[in-house]
Amino acid sequence: GENVEQHPSTLSVQEGDSAVIKCTYSDSASNYFPWYKQELGKRPQLIIDIRSNVGEKKDQRIAVTLNKTAKHFSLHITETQPEDSAVYFCAASTQGGSEKLVFGKGTKLTVNP
Amino acid sequence: EAQVTQNPRYLITVTGKKLTVTCSQNMNHEYMSWYRQDPGLGLRQIYYSMNVEVTDKGDVPEGYKVSRKEKRNFPLILESPSPNQTSLYFCASRDRLGVQPQHFGDGTRLSIL
Repeated sequence: GENVEQHPSTLSVQEGDSAVIKCTYSDSASNYFPWYKQELGKRPQLIIDIRSNVGEKKDQRIAVTLNKTAKHFSLHITETQPEDSAVYFCAASTQGGSEKLVFGKGTKLTVNP
Repeated sequence: EAQVTQNPRYLITVTGKKLTVTCSQNMNHEYMSWYRQDPGLGLRQIYYSMNVEVTDKGDVPEGYKVSRKEKRNFPLILESPSPNQTSLYFCASRDRLGVQPQHFGDGTRLSIL
C-alpha cells in the first residue's frame, strides 16, 4: 500500500522567511496530493492540493510542487507570518479508484515574530 | 452552512462497552471517511465509504465497524473498545467529483479506560 514520508517533523523560521516541507510517496498510482493545516485543537483544513497532471500550483503565499518521476511533492510558504504556525500534513490518494487517503506524520511549523 | 457534524465531541468510557460515534454531513457528498489522529502518527484512515451501502477498509480498520445506510450519515462503531483506541477521531466528506476539498468534522476525543 501507499506510504507517505514527511520531513522535517519540526520547523522553526523567522517571520518573513520561507518555509519548505517535503513529502515522498511510494505508490506511483497516486494522483492527488492535498496539504492540510491544523491549528491547535482544531480540525485539519485543506490549504492547497495538486493533481498528478500538474507540476506546480500556487495560491498567494502558498505553493506546491510535484515531481512524479521522483515521487515527491513539497509545500512552500513564502513571507511567513506568525499565524502560519500550525501542524501541516501532506497526503496522497488514488482518486477515481478508491477513497484511500494516506497522510504523512505532520510538520510542526513555528514562525517566530 | 456546509458542515460535518460529529457526536459526541468528548467521551470517556470503559473497556468493552460498545459505543457509536455519529457523523452527519449536509452537503449531499458521496464520499465519507473516518480517521484517527495520534501524536507522532498523524492521521490514519480507518474506513471510507464511496456511496450508500459501499464501505471499505482504510489502513487501521481493526476493532472498528461502520455503516452507510443513508447518504448523509456514516457512524463509527466500536463493538468492544480497548485502551489502544483512545484517540482523536475525525469524520470527513467530499464530493464525488473531487473538486471540493475534504470537509472535516470538529473531532471526537475518545478515552477508553
